[in-house]
Amino acid sequence: EPEVTQTPSHQVTQMGQEVILRCVPISNHLYFYWYRQILGQKVEFLVSFYNNEISEKSEIFDDQFSVERPDGSNFTLKIRSTKLEDSAMYFCASPRTDTQYFGPGTRLTVL
Amino acid sequence: GNSVTQMEGPVTLSEEAFLTINCTYTATGYPSLFWYVQYPGEGLQLLLKATKADDKGSNKGFEATYRKETTSFHLEKGSVQVSDSAVYFCALSDRTGNQFYFGTGTSLTVIP
Repeated sequence: EPEVTQTPSHQVTQMGQEVILRCVPISNHLYFYWYRQILGQKVEFLVSFYNNEISEKSEIFDDQFSVERPDGSNFTLKIRSTKLEDSAMYFCASPRTDTQYFGPGTRLTVL
Repeated sequence: GNSVTQMEGPVTLSEEAFLTINCTYTATGYPSLFWYVQYPGEGLQLLLKATKADDKGSNKGFEATYRKETTSFHLEKGSVQVSDSAVYFCALSDRTGNQFYFGTGTSLTVIP
């Protein structure tokens, strides 16, 4: 299975702080996605990013969120001012043909 | 629009029991269908998929058949093991894989 990596595996932060979650998708892929999974709940789509631009975003993806591609291989999800309800697992995913391959996730805990 | 409805859990089975997790979908066009598995503390892993009607996806003893007439993609395994304890997600995508829709997940616990 193609490998997608994410760092860190676990991030603990104080409410109001900024966090940056990182993802390295399948190499040479221009498309990638971020999803969120609040503990015990369904996987929710946040945003898709294609060729350095946001392709689609959900209503969850408000002004507190941003995505970037700071270099050729890394993608980031930034939350500017975290809230308690941002505590969740965040997954990035990279598509190949009709399948999405997920990273192991970053568990974000906001205190 | 596209959506996936999945059997609610949690499901608890004894080892070697037969497993069925129901999944039905609503889609425009001809979606691909997937089952993903999430083991405790881990990310989502692709378990199996089917890309057209009557296709059967299979992996690790799990099977699911793409039924267009009933818009279903039920997951089955003839004899579950303790190591199958996980959360199972049904999903569909359009042909490009760029739009993915997940079910709510079904938690399976297999007891010895």
